[in-house]
Amino acid sequence: GQQLNQSPQSMFIQEGEDVSMNCTSSSIFNTWLWYKQDPGEGPVLLIALYKAGELTSNGRLTAQFGITRKDSFLNISASIPSDVGIYFCAGQYEGGGADGLTFGKGTHLIIQP
Amino acid sequence: ETGVTQTPRHLVMGMTNKKSLKCEQHLGHNAMYWYKQSAKKPLELMFVYSLEERVENNSVPSRFSPECPNSSHLFLHLHTLQPEDSALYLCASSQDSPHSPNEKLFFGSGTQLSVL
Repeated sequence: GQQLNQSPQSMFIQEGEDVSMNCTSSSIFNTWLWYKQDPGEGPVLLIALYKAGELTSNGRLTAQFGITRKDSFLNISASIPSDVGIYFCAGQYEGGGADGLTFGKGTHLIIQP
Repeated sequence: ETGVTQTPRHLVMGMTNKKSLKCEQHLGHNAMYWYKQSAKKPLELMFVYSLEERVENNSVPSRFSPECPNSSHLFLHLHTLQPEDSALYLCASSQDSPHSPNEKLFFGSGTQLSVL
């Protein structure tokens, strides 16, 4: 099956720093999704991307759908303590629905005081 | 609050026990899902129900038995589990058919299961 490589696995940053993470795939996806999971909670959808090259923002978060359709990036600007959590990418192939989502292993974001 | 409620939040069970996980969605969605989340592994889809009919079973061992009595409720019945089944079990829902493109998943908070 399709696999997503999400990196980095974890990030230790200072409050106020910008954050970048990405996902790459060997297959083409039609949709890229970014989720965040707070400790003790389920994943919550942050951003959905539907077109190659699309750049979408949600507050301090910006995500991009790669031109090749095999990758996606998530950036967080000026990180704050509540940004701590696990960020997951998920890809959906052409013609696939929610039952066809492939998830990355997640990026753990830890903010040091 | 995502509109998807899971109980219990935590469960410890022995390998010979029988227990059930419950999920309820208050979003008026038509599809519900069970996922397994293990450390350092991607989310694994276990079961999908659309309009109360099971549409997908991803080679899950028979010691996991799902039940969907109506479009708002989903159960996962557990019996004779193994220690490697310890994980966070997440329920999710989506508005329309799980096969519809661009369908978004709304997750519950999960049940953290420990099998001793």
